[in-house]
Amino acid sequence: AQTVTQSQPEMSVQEAETVTLSCTYDTSESNYYLFWYKQPPSRQMILVIRQEAYKQQNATENRFSVNFQKAAKSFSLKISDSQLGDTAMYFCAFTLYGNKLVFGAGTILRVKS
Amino acid sequence: DAGVIQSPRHEVTEMGQEVTLRCKPISGHDYLFWYRQTMMRGLELLIYFNNNVPIDDSGMPEDRFSAKMPNASFSTLKIQPSEPRDSAVYFCASSIKGEGAGETQYFGPGTRLLVL
Repeated sequence: AQTVTQSQPEMSVQEAETVTLSCTYDTSESNYYLFWYKQPPSRQMILVIRQEAYKQQNATENRFSVNFQKAAKSFSLKISDSQLGDTAMYFCAFTLYGNKLVFGAGTILRVKS
Repeated sequence: DAGVIQSPRHEVTEMGQEVTLRCKPISGHDYLFWYRQTMMRGLELLIYFNNNVPIDDSGMPEDRFSAKMPNASFSTLKIQPSEPRDSAVYFCASSIKGEGAGETQYFGPGTRLLVL
């Protein structure tokens, strides 16, 4: 069975600073997708970034980037130039092709002014 | 293009009542997922469909829960009878399988259910 672990229940960062959220996963499969979703207080689940396991290049989306280490089964999210609007719960998630998402427990990120 | 649409956004009901949650996936998507989010269990899959056919319902907690997808643009999740422990946020998500799609699931706004 696939599992996703987020070891940081809560983190805080000053506005404009950089923060990294950790995620590890466990699977015996070689082809899969990894995601980071953001859930602000509105409860909406918003896709932040995705990574295909067969791609060695780390995904980037504006201020968001990942450090994907396939051998180590690690998938961390780096947020640069943090903004107050980044305050949210962040979920790391894993999926095989055409299958369910398996979520981590989430990390609450607070951006302070 | 409109995203995933869920209704109602909030539902308050009394124990024993029937509750029906509705979802309209993104047009053209062939996968539809129902998730439940609680403080105790986090986000967990209840059931998912591919081309309107249920593929995996192993997450459905018990017989009180049922889900249908009569066509490509509509799905329901029904709880009958409802219990206080069913209180949660229920999300519907959809995705499309194909080259470049990335298996990304797009979520609706959720239905916040409170069973008294």
